[in-house]
Amino acid sequence: IVMTQSPDSLAVSLGERATINCKSSQSLLYNSNNKNYLAWYQQKAGQPPKLLIYWASTRESGVPDRFSGSGSGTDFTLTISSLQAEDVALYYCQQYYNSRTFGQGTKVEIK
Amino acid sequence: QLQLQESGPGLVKPSETLSLSCTVSGGSLNSSSFYWGWIRQPPGRRLEWIGVIHYGGSTDHNPSLKSRITMSVDTSKDQFSLKLNSVTAADTAIYYCARDDSGAFDIWGQGIMVTVS
Repeated sequence: IVMTQSPDSLAVSLGERATINCKSSQSLLYNSNNKNYLAWYQQKAGQPPKLLIYWASTRESGVPDRFSGSGSGTDFTLTISSLQAEDVALYYCQQYYNSRTFGQGTKVEIK
Repeated sequence: QLQLQESGPGLVKPSETLSLSCTVSGGSLNSSSFYWGWIRQPPGRRLEWIGVIHYGGSTDHNPSLKSRITMSVDTSKDQFSLKLNSVTAADTAIYYCARDDSGAFDIWGQGIMVTVS
């Protein structure tokens, strides 16, 4: 399964909304449990990735509620509702419906 | 609090075998709920999933790397390991170990840079 993110980078003003899209080459929705097998990660410079969202929309414990995930099937979105300085990072989506693959990453910067 | 730590050589010669270990602390590898995985990140490139192993020994690998990979687990040491043979410069990367919870990687090691040269 190929994961494609858009845009590759975006610059957003502090306090504004940031939206990252992720498209999979096949559906990630498992009909028997109605779950989408998609996760989102944040990677800051020099650090390992940090899990933000799993099952497409479930926030990991401790993750601020300004981060939210949505979407189903093949199209997904990570939204940062009010960008903070500490949110500058690379963001990756990852499917786990069939093995595991990552998107190419989206760089979020401050405008 | 569960922590993972990668260890191994930072420099490997071309055509040789890359060997890494990941030590689990603050918890145990012996859980039927989790798999334990390897992910790498070549300089300036996206994350690439390598494979996962369960403490019982079952594995799943990236098809593009499968023929070169051996994964193992040592529950007595709370360690799991990766061997990647016939390495080339394309295998130069930061290698991470991580806990796989139903497919999402929820706990990561700090990563180890491995250069093939």
